[in-house]
Amino acid sequence: DAMVIQNPRYQVTQFGKPVTLSCSQTLNHNVMYWYQQKSSQAPKLLFHYYDKDFNNEADTPDNFQSRRPNTSFCFLDIRSPGLGDAAMYLCATSRDRTSGRGDTDTQYFGPGTRLTVL
Amino acid sequence: QKEVEQDPGPLSVPEGAIVSLNCTYSNSAFQYFMWYRQYSRKGPELLMYTYSSGNKEDGRFTAQVDKSSKYISLFIRDSQPSDSATYLCAMRWGGANSKLTFGKGITLSVRP
Repeated sequence: DAMVIQNPRYQVTQFGKPVTLSCSQTLNHNVMYWYQQKSSQAPKLLFHYYDKDFNNEADTPDNFQSRRPNTSFCFLDIRSPGLGDAAMYLCATSRDRTSGRGDTDTQYFGPGTRLTVL
Repeated sequence: QKEVEQDPGPLSVPEGAIVSLNCTYSNSAFQYFMWYRQYSRKGPELLMYTYSSGNKEDGRFTAQVDKSSKYISLFIRDSQPSDSATYLCAMRWGGANSKLTFGKGITLSVRP
């Protein structure tokens, strides 16, 4: 089945120790998103890639970076995690409606990576 | 005022009850409306997607959109314990690359 996969599902890191979260997709969607979701809160968009074009949200801290080496993979790098960065990190994908394929550009989410910072 | 407001929870109902979940929004540019279901420690899963005002039904679920009142609802009929989850409303304006704005979510518990 086509899907969005996130690894690892659970990640524990130490304060200040860089961490990388990964996302892969078999949907062949051209848009990929990273969200941060804290307990009992709505997902907060950090940034997204439209094809290879990177789009950063204005309030995303510089501590968060992203890479998309190809269509299928996207990485979230947290350079110096703080205690406030402990959260669920969600990857999502969508297909641009202007592709002409007639699909909706609904976002499909992966299962998330729960990050703990000690 | 937040762009999307969702009724606070949690909500607990007995099995078989009809559940009504609601969101209001302030941005009249929103055109597409979604409901996501999120089980504990999982990613959100798309449940319903609507564009126009009116009702859309899918099995036990009905999504209702009232653009004039800027109000959307999700109704669950004959609720089951397996419906116990957090429900997030989400919406966006048109155009490629437009972003989702989520409600805060409401946690539903269906008691057997």
